[in-house]
Amino acid sequence: DAGVIQSPRHEVTEMGQEVTLRCKPISGHDYLFWYRQTMMRGLELLIYFNNNVPIDDSGMPEDRFSAKMPNASFSTLKIQPSEPRDSAVYFCASSPGLAGGHEQYFGPGTRLTVT
Amino acid sequence: GENVEQHPSTLSVQEGDSAVIKCTYSDSASNYFPWYKQELGKRPQLIIDIRSNVGEKKDQRIAVTLNKTAKHFSLHITETQPEDSAVYFCAAKKSGAGSYQLTFGKGTKLSVIP
Repeated sequence: DAGVIQSPRHEVTEMGQEVTLRCKPISGHDYLFWYRQTMMRGLELLIYFNNNVPIDDSGMPEDRFSAKMPNASFSTLKIQPSEPRDSAVYFCASSPGLAGGHEQYFGPGTRLTVT
Repeated sequence: GENVEQHPSTLSVQEGDSAVIKCTYSDSASNYFPWYKQELGKRPQLIIDIRSNVGEKKDQRIAVTLNKTAKHFSLHITETQPEDSAVYFCAAKKSGAGSYQLTFGKGTKLSVIP
């Protein structure tokens, strides 16, 4: 298995632009998580899905952030419009759930820079 | 919600010495406590975890202890090596079929000096 796949790995954009981050979870995993990592705030959970359904989006910072999971093998995190304070590394993670265990497998991350 | 505090934020040890990182959690309903290691520029990866029905778990040079009464758990690394240098995160998860989210501590940057 290739593990969790994220794209792009690096994104540099100007303030006000729309940014879309993509994630392909490990096949067969029922849970998908989006995290944001910064030096100041550490690893923050933004939203997570179970069987493609959003379960908890209380970590999404504001309405500029949205996430979708149209099918079991694909999820997107969109920021519109982007701001410099959104600069961070965004990780996607997936987990088998239930009998498969609680371990979360992280993707390589997308480093976002908003200028 | 759950709150996880992690100490120290940075730790330097000589190669061969032991390192201990401590975490406390606030929600007594938490029952799963993993530790993740993140090397510079890499993704976090699970290194060991413990469930609330166990007081200690070991895997070669690493061990985790849990004190449910005091609501704290610790990571112990013995005979540290330079490749142990990384940021370590503790986390906690509540029990219940509907609860799958982890709350992470702020991380400890461990430096092992050769």
